[in-house]
Amino acid sequence: QKEVEQDPGPLSVPEGAIVSLNCTYSNSAFQYFMWYRQYSRKGPELLMYTYSSGNKEDGRFTAQVDKSSKYISLFIRDSQPSDSATYLCAMAINSNYQLIWGAGTKLIIKP
Amino acid sequence: GAVVSQHPSRVICKSGTSVKIECRSLDFQATTMFWYRQFPKQSLMLMATSNEGSKATYEQGVEKDKFLINHASLTLSTLTVTSAHPEDSSFYICSAGKEAQPQHFGDGTRLSIL
Repeated sequence: QKEVEQDPGPLSVPEGAIVSLNCTYSNSAFQYFMWYRQYSRKGPELLMYTYSSGNKEDGRFTAQVDKSSKYISLFIRDSQPSDSATYLCAMAINSNYQLIWGAGTKLIIKP
Repeated sequence: GAVVSQHPSRVICKSGTSVKIECRSLDFQATTMFWYRQFPKQSLMLMATSNEGSKATYEQGVEKDKFLINHASLTLSTLTVTSAHPEDSSFYICSAGKEAQPQHFGDGTRLSIL
């Protein structure tokens, strides 16, 4: 079993829909949770960073962490074609520790 | 957000050539830099972790003599692929981080060895 599980998709939704992306993990020592967006042939771009259970909102993005269930989510509201990319979740035990990555979910927003 | 610059973005060279890739953190001092390799449609694979002024820590299966890492300052790390062969062709990405801050990534280097 992988430490971090993420459905690779692809996930295809119409423009304007709410997108829900998820990861589950097995190591209860993870304390830091990140979501990165990666466009083709580019490096990952940090979207959200949190270290506590609960919700964190930034514009159209909401990150949710449930440590009791070992489950994290990223919600994208009012999705746009420009949101089409691969979304990677990543976790760490402490703030400067190596990241453990999900497989990445390919998201396609159809105009 | 923080800016990490990686150069060059694309390299095409002959087998046996050594290739140097630079990673710079432009607006913060990175105590730690990471080098990753990514194959098509796969997630990032950590190759090594480097701290300024000390030797890099390589992940299992990564040849330290093949992939030389130098982290001479808090803003610059370099990865040199020595005597590159076609199987070294890949997408190489660096990231920079510091205490209590998430890693920020460069835009990657696409390396093609002919």
